[in-house]
Amino acid sequence: DQQVKQNSPSLSVQEGRISILNCDYTNSMFDYFLWYKKYPAEGPTFLISISSIKDKNEDGRFTVFLNKSAKHLSLHIVPSQPGDSAVYFCAANPAPSNFGNEKLTFGTGTRLTIIP
Amino acid sequence: DVKVTQSSRYLVKRTGEKVFLECVQDMDHENMFWYRQDPGLGLRLIYFSYDVKMKEKGDIPEGYSVSREKKERFSLILESASTNQTSMYLCASSSAVPELEQYFGPGTRLTVT
Repeated sequence: DQQVKQNSPSLSVQEGRISILNCDYTNSMFDYFLWYKKYPAEGPTFLISISSIKDKNEDGRFTVFLNKSAKHLSLHIVPSQPGDSAVYFCAANPAPSNFGNEKLTFGTGTRLTIIP
Repeated sequence: DVKVTQSSRYLVKRTGEKVFLECVQDMDHENMFWYRQDPGLGLRLIYFSYDVKMKEKGDIPEGYSVSREKKERFSLILESASTNQTSMYLCASSSAVPELEQYFGPGTRLTVT
C-alpha cells in the first residue's frame, strides 16, 4: 500500500521555466513533509520541508505548497537550471511524539530533466 | 557538516553468501536507518534503530538483519544473499525528535549473482 505517491515518474522542463513536481498521500496522520533530491551514485540530500500548520514554505528558488484537504503537496522550482536535473523524492512523517515516529515514508520519485 | 559513510560503493556477491554492509555517522545521531532503492519503488525502509542495541523492523525486513553495538555504527546483514536483493542500499541518520531531516550516505550498489 503506497501511502505516498508520485504519479509522474519523469518530467522534462526547459531551462529557465518553472518545474512543478507533485506528490499525493493517503495517511491523514502525516504531519510533516520533506523533499529530497538525488543525483546518480549519490545519496539523497534534503531540499525543503513543510509542517502541516503551514500551506507554503519558500527557500530561494524552491517552494513547497501543501493542500491538506486534498492530501497533496507540490514542489516548485523557478527558474529551473540544468543542475536541477535529478530524481526528487517526497517523504512524510506523522506528528513526532513518540519513539518510532521518526521514520519517513518516501514516494517513488520523479526524474526531472532540465533541457538547456 | 554531517557525514554518513558506507563501507563500500560497489559490491558483488554470490547467491548464498553472507553480506555485511557497514554504515558510520559522525554527528552523534540517535536514529539510524537502512533503505533500499529500486526503480519504480522509491526508497523502502528495511530496518531502523533509535538507540544502541535497539532495532525496529521497517517495511521490508525479510531476509535482512541489523546490528547496532555502538551509537555511530549501524550494520545491515544479509544472512544468505539472493538475486532479488540486488539493489542500491542507502544508510541514513537523524537526531532525535523534533528534527526529522535524515542525512544519507552515498549508497552501496550490491549485485548478487
